[in-house]
Amino acid sequence: EVQLVESGGGLVKPGGSLRLSCAASGFTFSSYSMNWVRQAPGKGLEWVSSISSSSSYIYYADSVKGRFTISRDNAKNSLYLQMNSLRAEDTAVYYCARDPNIVVVPKGGWFDPWGQGTLVTVSS
Amino acid sequence: SYELTQPPSVSVSPGQTARITCSGDALPKQYAYWYQQKPGQAPVLVIYKDSERPSGIPERFSGSSSGTTVTLTISGVQAEDEADYYCQSADSSGTSRVFGGGTKLTVL
Repeated sequence: EVQLVESGGGLVKPGGSLRLSCAASGFTFSSYSMNWVRQAPGKGLEWVSSISSSSSYIYYADSVKGRFTISRDNAKNSLYLQMNSLRAEDTAVYYCARDPNIVVVPKGGWFDPWGQGTLVTVSS
Repeated sequence: SYELTQPPSVSVSPGQTARITCSGDALPKQYAYWYQQKPGQAPVLVIYKDSERPSGIPERFSGSSSGTTVTLTISGVQAEDEADYYCQSADSSGTSRVFGGGTKLTVL
């Protein structure tokens, strides 16, 4: 069974940092592009970042560019999101999601499956 | 930045057909995808590549595309279909993915 489990969320002060992790199992992690998607409380979904299977291609939403860094460790079947200079508007549930389309360059694409998410709260 | 536009809400009675639209300028060039999200749960993919249905998704869910608009159709709506539905696609370059604002489907 394909499974994605996020961890690392919590309460952090504005300007602070946090590192999220996503542990993958049930599939060949190194073959798939991976993504982070977030959802602010009571709001819609927002794509955050994508990384190709070999980490050669990385994309960010404008709202996080320069502050967040996506990475992966294929040997550990893990995806990461380093979040720096956090703002109140970064408060959200952060989901890890696989791109089910096996391609070298993760252009377009979609999300399936999703993890259950981890809550990040940025507040003083 | 690129945007996808959905109606905030759609209401239907059980057994009727619900149609949820999603509009965006790049939709003729990029596929659209649809997700169902129930309260407290992660989103679930219900339609991919405009009109393909993943295994395990009931046949009453279908998708279509026409120009700059894609539509999710739920035929014979059931109470369990009450949820938020999001369309998703990408900008013309494909490097930036985007979601619509979401549509709350209410089953009367």
